[in-house]
Amino acid sequence: IQLTQSPSFLSASVGDRVTITCRASQGIRKFLAWFQQKPGKAPKLLIYAASTLQDGVPSRFSGSGSGTEFTLTISSLQPEDFATYYCQQLGDYPLTFGGGTKVEIK
Amino acid sequence: EVQLVESGGVLVQPGRSLRLSCAASGFTFSDHYMDWVRQAPGKGLEWVGRIRKRVNSYSTEYAASVNGRFTISRDDSKNSLYLQMNSLKTEDTAVYYCARGFCYGDTCYSGDHWGQGTLVTASS
Repeated sequence: IQLTQSPSFLSASVGDRVTITCRASQGIRKFLAWFQQKPGKAPKLLIYAASTLQDGVPSRFSGSGSGTEFTLTISSLQPEDFATYYCQQLGDYPLTFGGGTKVEIK
Repeated sequence: EVQLVESGGVLVQPGRSLRLSCAASGFTFSDHYMDWVRQAPGKGLEWVGRIRKRVNSYSTEYAASVNGRFTISRDDSKNSLYLQMNSLKTEDTAVYYCARGFCYGDTCYSGDHWGQGTLVTASS
């Protein structure tokens, strides 16, 4: 199953609302997770089951979608949110990641 | 505190073998699926494979790019995860992460905790 993230790069300002899309090549119900990765660090789980917020993740992060189209939304971008975001599907093996979306400061 | 510590990453010639280890602490290791994920320099994340629990016969799954060359195993008595990498290729050069899995609903997700990664460089 291929995952296509868009955009691959976005430039935004602190306080902006940001939406990242992940499209699956076939239906995966709600078996999707989102990760955040900062340079030189391991990824961090943000959301699983498409919309369930991982413990300790700020509520400005939210996820939605099912089937083939999913979104990650950051309601008000904070300085610590500038990072690369990846979706991962767990609908079928082999598990796959999207290509990533790099969020940079405008 | 959950901790995952990878080791074993080195510079190795293409065609050779290497075994990575991941030492787990702070949780009941035997209760969790475990994954390996890698990241080539400047590239995105690539899932490598998964090993299930004893109740699932320690069954494994692999990415197509490593299937037949890499083998994942675990020793629950040592709280350790392993990745045996054979016939290494230059394209296997990456930081390798171990990640803890967790089950929710109808599936098991990866990566609620990650190690810091270990760098494998396959080059002559």
